[in-house]
Amino acid sequence: DGGITQSPKYLFRKEGQNVTLSCEQNLNHDAMYWYRQDPGQGLRLIYYSQIVNDFQKGDIAEGYSVSREKKESFPLTVTSAQKNPTAFYLCASTRTGENYGYTFGSGTRLTVV
Amino acid sequence: EDQVTQSPEALRLQEGESSSLNCSYTVSGLRGLFWYRQDPGKGPEFLFTLYSAGEEKEKERLKATLTKKESFLHITAPKPEDSATYLCAVQPPNDYKLSFGAGTTVTVRA
Repeated sequence: DGGITQSPKYLFRKEGQNVTLSCEQNLNHDAMYWYRQDPGQGLRLIYYSQIVNDFQKGDIAEGYSVSREKKESFPLTVTSAQKNPTAFYLCASTRTGENYGYTFGSGTRLTVV
Repeated sequence: EDQVTQSPEALRLQEGESSSLNCSYTVSGLRGLFWYRQDPGKGPEFLFTLYSAGEEKEKERLKATLTKKESFLHITAPKPEDSATYLCAVQPPNDYKLSFGAGTTVTVRA
């Protein structure tokens, strides 16, 4: 079955450490997105990519980095510059060119220890 | 900037007690409005897409409607398994990115 796989499900980060969240899709979707979800707030866009080797900053990109070397993969690195990284991170993908909504992964919960 | 506001923030219902959730938006020329269901610790699951005012979609006990500035998600005779957070998102013209509301958390008691 096609879908989006996020890993790991839980991740713990020490102060000053960079960590990378994985997102892989086999839906042949062009566009991929990273959102951050905090209690009581809507999903906030971190980065997005509509084509391989190209990506754009979202509303809260500071302290994060991404790459899009393959259509299927869109990893997110949370750097030490992100001062408040504890959150639930969601990856999504969609086709472009039509009015499709997103397909979401199951999320990664990142906690600073 | 597109704004999406969902109300109420939380809704507690008795099993069988029908109610409605509201999603209001400010985007002009809506490409689409989306409803998702999210269970705790999981990713959102797609429910409906609405494209034009007057459109309605149904799935089991859920019915979504759309006007020019807001959408409603009606829950008819809810069951405990309908307990979840319901997210609304809008897609503006000429863009594929979705702007999300903060969600309405629904709790249905048996």
